[in-house]
Amino acid sequence: DTAVSQTPKYLVTQMGNDKSIKCEQNLGHDTMYWYKQDSKKFLKIMFSYNNKELIINETVPNRFSPKSPDKAHLNLHINSLELGDSAVYFCASSQTGRQRPQHFGDGTRLSIL
Amino acid sequence: DAKTTQPNSMESNEEEPVHLPCNHSTISGTDYIHWYRQLPSQGPEYVIHGLTSNVNNRMASLAIAEDRKSSTLILHRATLRDAAVYYCILRPPDGSARQLTFGSGTQLTVLP
Repeated sequence: DTAVSQTPKYLVTQMGNDKSIKCEQNLGHDTMYWYKQDSKKFLKIMFSYNNKELIINETVPNRFSPKSPDKAHLNLHINSLELGDSAVYFCASSQTGRQRPQHFGDGTRLSIL
Repeated sequence: DAKTTQPNSMESNEEEPVHLPCNHSTISGTDYIHWYRQLPSQGPEYVIHGLTSNVNNRMASLAIAEDRKSSTLILHRATLRDAAVYYCILRPPDGSARQLTFGSGTQLTVLP
């Protein structure tokens, strides 16, 4: 029973293309996140949604657009991919309140050729 | 934001205890101390968290200094599966920003 699942696991594409990464959680959590881990292994928050509403939007290019069709799903669409977008993207979820832990997916490794 | 400082890397022998230190000298009185770890090719995984008192769970123990300026994650018997990057993270109380702010962590190597 995978708690937070992301698809695809690997994504190799060319510069300029548009691609999407999907995330689903079956934990009943109300908050979902996207993090980016760059080549130096630093993990940084990109977006956070609570009950389908955007609550955190860090300094991320407009080419990145998250979409949350319901509480269990948070997708990430990226337009006009650039070389610098190569990274591992992690989806996470948590329940609001009282220092609840975040549960992460296994990541999507995006490589731009 | 309060910052954490951890050693870049540590080594341990299998089946021995491991003490992973974290300094957070500018911690506020209400920040919680969380630990996550990231195994190779996986997402981060929650380990433990605490505020003032020492905490134990099935994965590890967390020892918090009396002045709260440092903490130590204790793995009682390291296994090869514990080889990972361990992150010490400060979280404000509920109502503040909900994201986790990761530092560079400590790469733990477990030797057979």
